[in-house]
Amino acid sequence: QPVLTQPPSVSGAPGRRVTISCTGRSSNIGAGYDVNWYRQLPGAAPKVIIYGNTNRPSGVPDRFSGSKSGTSASLAITGLQAEDEADYYCQSYDSSLSGYVFGTGTKVTVL
Amino acid sequence: QVQLQESGPGLVKPSETLSLTCTVSGGSISPYYWTWIRQPPGEGLQYIGDIYYTGNTNYHPSLKSRVSMSVDTSKNQFSLKLNSVTAADTAIYYCVRVESGGLLDSWGQGTLVTVSS
Repeated sequence: QPVLTQPPSVSGAPGRRVTISCTGRSSNIGAGYDVNWYRQLPGAAPKVIIYGNTNRPSGVPDRFSGSKSGTSASLAITGLQAEDEADYYCQSYDSSLSGYVFGTGTKVTVL
Repeated sequence: QVQLQESGPGLVKPSETLSLTCTVSGGSISPYYWTWIRQPPGEGLQYIGDIYYTGNTNYHPSLKSRVSMSVDTSKNQFSLKLNSVTAADTAIYYCVRVESGGLLDSWGQGTLVTVSS
């Protein structure tokens, strides 16, 4: 079912920078629909960390940033910390589906 | 701060109907869209469908023949029914509020539904 493609895993040493890509198509990201990013800890519901492509909800550290270009989006985490270990999902709207689509999910590991 | 709570049976037999209700507290059902998202064990997030507070619905094409959603504004609840379930429908089911721009901003804690005889 996933329509947005993410790398299965990314890893980095504490303090380093990692990026997660989210590749869509012309019916979702490429059509101009917003991309949102969620973090999911084990056993918990996802929580939004980036909305509207680049915006952070209050309480989310500025180490997290989002960008979007064409049919893709990216999430960057700088100054990687142990607490950043989690699964991350991108999400958007798809006009051909007339519904919401998710990325395949990326597991972030702090080495 | 709006809170969502899923309720319903945690075990459903194959070929039967899965029924869940989401109770919204700390906020109103209107004027929002509400959606059901599921996550099979160890897998990613899947969109099931969504419902507007007026009752208008949209379902994922792969589930359209088996799913129905309804809303009860007087009880601040919305519901999901999925019929003819199989083991492939075993998942954690989340009810979620949809904000502007398609942002899924408030999630229930999720409820595990297992399909097994």
